[in-house]
Amino acid sequence: EAGVAQSPRYKIIEKRQSVAFWCNPISGHATLYWYQQILGQGPKLLIQFQNNGVVDDSQLPKDRFSAERLKGVDSTLKIQPAKLEDSAVYLCASSLDLASGGYTFGSGTRLTVV
Amino acid sequence: AQSVTQLDSQVPVFEEAPVELRCNYSSSVSVYLFWYVQYPNQGLQLLLKYLSGSTLVKGINGFEAEFNKSQTSFHLRKPSVHISDTAEYFCAVGSGGYQKVTFGTGTKLQVIP
Repeated sequence: EAGVAQSPRYKIIEKRQSVAFWCNPISGHATLYWYQQILGQGPKLLIQFQNNGVVDDSQLPKDRFSAERLKGVDSTLKIQPAKLEDSAVYLCASSLDLASGGYTFGSGTRLTVV
Repeated sequence: AQSVTQLDSQVPVFEEAPVELRCNYSSSVSVYLFWYVQYPNQGLQLLLKYLSGSTLVKGINGFEAEFNKSQTSFHLRKPSVHISDTAEYFCAVGSGGYQKVTFGTGTKLQVIP
């Protein structure tokens, strides 16, 4: 089966600019996760979708970050405006059901804000 | 709420020596447990996972972990490490119901020749 697809792989922007990341999960996976991994830290969950509904967005900085998952398939994460501290790798993962072990990461988008 | 604690931020160990990386979790529901490895400038690679059944789980690269429900731990072990095992290791806990997955802060394993 195809894996979790993310694009772009790399992005460099200036602070105060906006940026968007795209994720296409594995077909049939109802749950989609966006994580932020700052260099030297563990992945932090930003938002979790179940189909097209939000399950958890408690750690999403909602003044500048937004995410949507239209039609319960692919998803977009946006940052507007970006800050220097947003430099990180943004990881998307999808899951059919954790009990079956189906939890897969994409290769991530490395964002550098200058 | 669920959480993961990796007590050791760095673990230096000599080549061919055994190693244990500690992971403790808290969760109010049934859990699924994962260990990931991340090499410099690379993505997360799944080492092993516990979903149910046998509490001793064997993974790739000679690693294994034991699920201890009473101590809420899932420590990662390898009997003899190689230089190539130098990397950062992340423990993660997932829960049924909301299917949330939470990561620890990571442990850097440094293998000394």
